[in-house]
Amino acid sequence: GENVEQHPSTLSVQEGDSAVIKCTYSDSASNYFPWYKQELGKGPQLIIDIRSNVGEKKDQRIAVTLNKTAKHFSLHITETQPEDSAVYFCAPMTTDSWGKLQFGAGTQVVVTP
Amino acid sequence: SAVISQKPSRDICQRGTSLTIQCQVDSQVTMMFWYRQQPGQSLTLIATANQGSEATYESGFVIDKFPISRPNLTFSTLTVSNMSPEDSSIYLCSARTSGKNIQYFGAGTRLSVL
Repeated sequence: GENVEQHPSTLSVQEGDSAVIKCTYSDSASNYFPWYKQELGKGPQLIIDIRSNVGEKKDQRIAVTLNKTAKHFSLHITETQPEDSAVYFCAPMTTDSWGKLQFGAGTQVVVTP
Repeated sequence: SAVISQKPSRDICQRGTSLTIQCQVDSQVTMMFWYRQQPGQSLTLIATANQGSEATYESGFVIDKFPISRPNLTFSTLTVSNMSPEDSSIYLCSARTSGKNIQYFGAGTRLSVL
């Protein structure tokens, strides 16, 4: 089965600085790489995803980069704001009929004003 | 996108009783899932709810403890049976459509067992 490691487990940044979270996976068949954000008291929400035929994807202040050879992908948040404070999960998956998200342990991000 | 509604949002139950959680999706979806999330922890998949047939359970989860129904393409229920304090957790419903990888989540049901 898939082994997913996410680092760091906690990340404290000053408002305006950048944050980077790395996710390492073991299953070479994984071909879909999403990042979810979970705010307190809410369910996870997809914030960005990337497919294996793309190396980088950007959406305003967030970006995801993929290194399929090394089996890791990273979430980048620039110009952090207090509303970025949340728990972030990576969840690589194979997009076949039975594909299931394999969640990492999560990263608690705290953005201090 | 899909909006997922879960009921109840929270409950406090006595040990030995059962609770049924309802999940309603605002559009037809191919796959529905049930997850458990302990406070401060990651999500663990309990089972995939299959329409018209028995759910597919992950290792460590059994039908007698977590019976699941899925009568149609937009609705599913999860029952937590014969509850003990160890069942205190957040239970999340999730859904996605075949051919589209995006998976949506409900807000969760926060269960406390006394």
